[in-house]
Amino acid sequence: AQTVTQSQPEMSVQEAETVTLSCTYDTSENNYYLFWYKQPPSRQMILVIRQEAYKQQNATENRFSVNFQKAAKSFSLKISDSQLGDTAMYFCAFMAYAGGTSYGKLTFGQGTILTVHP
Amino acid sequence: EADIYQTPRYLVIGTGKKITLECSQTMGHDKMYWYQQDPGMELHLIHYSYGVNSTEKGDLSSESTVSRIRTEHFPLTLESARPSHTSQYLCASSERLWDTQYFGPGTRLTVL
Repeated sequence: AQTVTQSQPEMSVQEAETVTLSCTYDTSENNYYLFWYKQPPSRQMILVIRQEAYKQQNATENRFSVNFQKAAKSFSLKISDSQLGDTAMYFCAFMAYAGGTSYGKLTFGQGTILTVHP
Repeated sequence: EADIYQTPRYLVIGTGKKITLECSQTMGHDKMYWYQQDPGMELHLIHYSYGVNSTEKGDLSSESTVSRIRTEHFPLTLESARPSHTSQYLCASSERLWDTQYFGPGTRLTVL
């Protein structure tokens, strides 16, 4: 079974600054994806960024980037130039994509509430 | 935003009532999922479907049931609601098993 751990229940950052959200995971699978999802207050959960485990290059999406350390099973999210609209709960998630009982299923971490202050 | 819809958005009902939470998507996705999320907590998979007439139970045991008669529709039913069912229910869909899942806005259920 997979586990995903987000050790920071809450984080805060000033507008325009950079913040990093931590995520670690445990798995015996070799082929998997990692995701960061954002859930704004009372709004739809949306995908922020996705990383394929076989790719060494870290994924980036505009102001969002990840630091993927496969050996350490670590997958942190960096948000640069934070904006007020980034205030949300952020979930790290894992999905195996070939074989295994977790095939195609998302396993989520506990979430980190990020507040961006003006 | 993704074309996946859930109704109602909010529901307050009394114990013992039968309820159906609706989920529909217009993307033609074969894979659909139901997650349960308690306030401020992580999501847990309770049901999923690989396609029409396919339904499976997820990792978290749930007294709810689902059906998949049409590709675009994946309703969740509680035959007799109880206060322990109070939670947020999120529906999601994806084109293939390993693809990004797109989420609906959720239904916040309160059982009194």
